[in-house]
Amino acid sequence: GAGVSQSPSNKVTEKGKDVELRCDPISGHTALYWYRQSLGQGLEFLIYFQGNSAPDKSGLPSDRFSAERTGGSVSTLTIQRTQQEDSAVYLCASSSTRTTYEQYFGPGTRLTVT
Amino acid sequence: GDSVTQMEGPVTLSEEAFLTINCTYTATGYPSLFWYVQYPGEGLQLLLKATKADDKGSNKGFEATYRKETTSFHLEKGSVQVSDSAVYFCALRGKDGGSQGNLIFGKGTKLSVKP
Repeated sequence: GAGVSQSPSNKVTEKGKDVELRCDPISGHTALYWYRQSLGQGLEFLIYFQGNSAPDKSGLPSDRFSAERTGGSVSTLTIQRTQQEDSAVYLCASSSTRTTYEQYFGPGTRLTVT
Repeated sequence: GDSVTQMEGPVTLSEEAFLTINCTYTATGYPSLFWYVQYPGEGLQLLLKATKADDKGSNKGFEATYRKETTSFHLEKGSVQVSDSAVYFCALRGKDGGSQGNLIFGKGTKLSVKP
């Protein structure tokens, strides 16, 4: 079946602009995660959605970052007033209650802030 | 807080050599432990996992044993192939995160295998 998809695959934006990154999880997966992969920081957890529960936002680095998950499926990560240090690959993953412990990752969105 | 430390790379080996990538962790309680692999140009994939002490995860010739006494989860393979060239990440999920909580990753170890 289809895996986790993310769009766009690449995004170049100017400092100060807002960006939206999209994630389509595997159909039926109740949990959705956003991570960030950068050279300096490695792989960092950002935010986690589980069903209809309030999201775990403990990994968001600043209030410029926010995320939504509509209808328990698609998620959008929004970065406002982008800074150069936001440049990274943003990864989305999903998992289901039937395959607990295994998170399936998307190919990522490479964000470059100029 | 919880953390994962893995050996820094890059690691360069000849084909058929023995591979060890060290991974140690700090966590409260007994976390679940994972190795993920990222092949060039591809996304992260789960390689193997262990959910309790003394469990051995294995896949594609790779093995790792959950050692509670040394808080370690070292990755090993007896004979590497060129196709194993990738970046390997050790990760944990704390018990507080439940079975679907977020992962905490090590910084990754790049492996290059030469023919």
